[in-house]
Amino acid sequence: SQQGEEDPQALSIQEGENATMNCSYKTSINNLQWYRQNSGRGLVHLILIRSNEREKHSGRLRVTLDTSKKSSSLLITASRAADTASYFCATDETGTASKLTFGTGTRLQVTL
Amino acid sequence: KAGVTQTPRYLIKTRGQQVTLSCSPISGHRSVSWYQQTPGQGLQFLFEYFSETQRNKGNFPGRFSGRQFSNSRSEMNVSTLELGDSALYLCASTRDGNNEKLFFGSGTQLSVL
Repeated sequence: SQQGEEDPQALSIQEGENATMNCSYKTSINNLQWYRQNSGRGLVHLILIRSNEREKHSGRLRVTLDTSKKSSSLLITASRAADTASYFCATDETGTASKLTFGTGTRLQVTL
Repeated sequence: KAGVTQTPRYLIKTRGQQVTLSCSPISGHRSVSWYQQTPGQGLQFLFEYFSETQRNKGNFPGRFSGRQFSNSRSEMNVSTLELGDSALYLCASTRDGNNEKLFFGSGTQLSVL
């Protein structure tokens, strides 16, 4: 079953703009992770934020976590065409990181 | 360091057949987990193996099974294939599967006709 609902389902922006994706989940978590998937390929880990953290940065990525609202957001600044991909949030409910519950994903299209 | 390797990349089977997919984790990783990805259900956890033992299991029927060898390589098997089993099957590895990021392979695209 999917725990996370992501919005928007699809997002189209121009290169240089910022992209924001949101994720909501249902149960208590140990951490929340964001992954990226290029068309039909494997997922690549982007960033992990633990339940006791509120914000985390990695390069052009900024993730926030609000456990009271059971929500997270991923901000990609100064988007590039190469950022075109699907982005998924994934929650770790049990501390067993290998058993993640993935959201529905946001498909991001960055045009020149 | 080589990444997670999944074979084969593509597979076409017919209903009723069985299939075996293979996954070689990153060297030193002992946890291997499997996920099914479909357009309708998204990404769903199948099971996880650690040190040759199934440690976690998702909500899939018994037709889906797996195993792990002493070198941490893993296989998953689907018996009596159904049309709905058509999916991208992804394998991921971590050192010990606790509070860590997953390293995914490129997946095996299974089509059941």
